[in-house]
Amino acid sequence: QVQLQESGPGLVKPSETLSLTCSVSGGSINAYYWSWIRQPPGKGLEWIGYIYYSGSTNYNPSLKSRVTISIDTSKKQFSLKLSSVTAADTAIYYCSENDSSGPFDIWGQGTMVTVSS
Amino acid sequence: SYVLTQPPSVSVAPGKTASITCGGNNIGGKSVHWYQERPGQAPVLVIYYDYDRPSGIPERFSGSNSGDTATLTISRVEAGDEADYYCQVWDSSSDHVVFGGGTKLTVL
Repeated sequence: QVQLQESGPGLVKPSETLSLTCSVSGGSINAYYWSWIRQPPGKGLEWIGYIYYSGSTNYNPSLKSRVTISIDTSKKQFSLKLSSVTAADTAIYYCSENDSSGPFDIWGQGTMVTVSS
Repeated sequence: SYVLTQPPSVSVAPGKTASITCGGNNIGGKSVHWYQERPGQAPVLVIYYDYDRPSGIPERFSGSNSGDTATLTISRVEAGDEADYYCQVWDSSSDHVVFGGGTKLTVL
């Protein structure tokens, strides 16, 4: 059973870049779509984007100009970078995986990131 | 971009049936997945591909999808079902994932 674990700083200063990593264990990273999803406090789920194991990416249009998702198959990790953050980027960030139109059946536990000086 | 619309809240008495809708343009032509999110926990898949249930999800949870509305139905509601529920689709025209705004289920 695949397990996912997010890691990264819990506090980021405004205008800086948020960087998170998701480690994949218990299965192969060489398949499926690997996504980042976030949830601001008191709000709903927002898909940030995905990376296919081959390296192709697709991003939420509302965040596209600030988002980069990359993958390191040798380390079984994929990463999120979100630039020029503001308080509106404060959220729980989840990593997950799915198969094209399939469901997100495996989620990381989530990591809270606060944007504050 | 594709939009999914859910009611912000649904209330139901214990033992009764709760229906949570998810509206979208011709959503019946897409595959809908439903997630349950309890406070402080990661979302959990409860229905996938419109009506399939993952192992471990009670038979009380069911789904349907037709026309412009998908529905998550929870029969014989229990206090433990109180949570936020989200619908989700893959918009094939843009290859984007779309979530509904979420519905808070309150068990009276």
